[in-house]
Amino acid sequence: QVQLQESGPGLVKPSETLSLNCTVSGVSVSNNSYYWTWIRQPPGKGLEWIGYVYYSGTTNYNPSLKSRVTISVDTSKNQFSLKLTSVTAADTAVYYCARFTGIITLSLDYWGQGTLVTVSS
Amino acid sequence: DIHMTQSPSSLSASVGDRVTITCRASQTISIYLNWYQQKPGKAPKLLISTASSFQSGVPSRFSGSGSGTDFSLTISSLQPEDYATYYCQQSYIAPYTFGQGTKLEIK
Repeated sequence: QVQLQESGPGLVKPSETLSLNCTVSGVSVSNNSYYWTWIRQPPGKGLEWIGYVYYSGTTNYNPSLKSRVTISVDTSKNQFSLKLTSVTAADTAVYYCARFTGIITLSLDYWGQGTLVTVSS
Repeated sequence: DIHMTQSPSSLSASVGDRVTITCRASQTISIYLNWYQQKPGKAPKLLISTASSFQSGVPSRFSGSGSGTDFSLTISSLQPEDYATYYCQQSYIAPYTFGQGTKLEIK
């Protein structure tokens, strides 16, 4: 079955770069039906869509984060990744990777369990 | 960006109650509206896509409706496992924004 698993440091210092990977199993990230997406949720708050990458490398980012975000895909490892530069305490959140199905349902149908990233010195 | 507004932000209800949560978009989004359920410490789970299409395994007491700018999620008879936070999300135009969430609590 489809599974997604986030990995990466749980603690990042202010002004540094947050880097996370999402390992996908049960489906190929090269499948042209899906857009591989990152979402975050600050503690006790709602969900924020960060952006997605398509298998071809095409990306779409939330304008509020666009200047600091890079999402990329590695088809050889069946992974995609998130980089967020110049982090501050406001970037402390649970980060989720998810699959967005771009046909019929147009929704986030599979999610990783999430990983908490804390920005602190 | 399309702004999504859910109401109410929180709701207390009893087991067996019929509950409706609404979601309004700041501009038309056709039927491209999804509903997710999130329990504490867990990832959101897709309940309904494109306004009214059930996901496999979702109980039939959940239903969605609406188009354009106004949408609703109805739980016909609340069960103990339904106490959670519910989010709407538009998938019409990126960024695919979420509503602020509706926390459903036990009365």
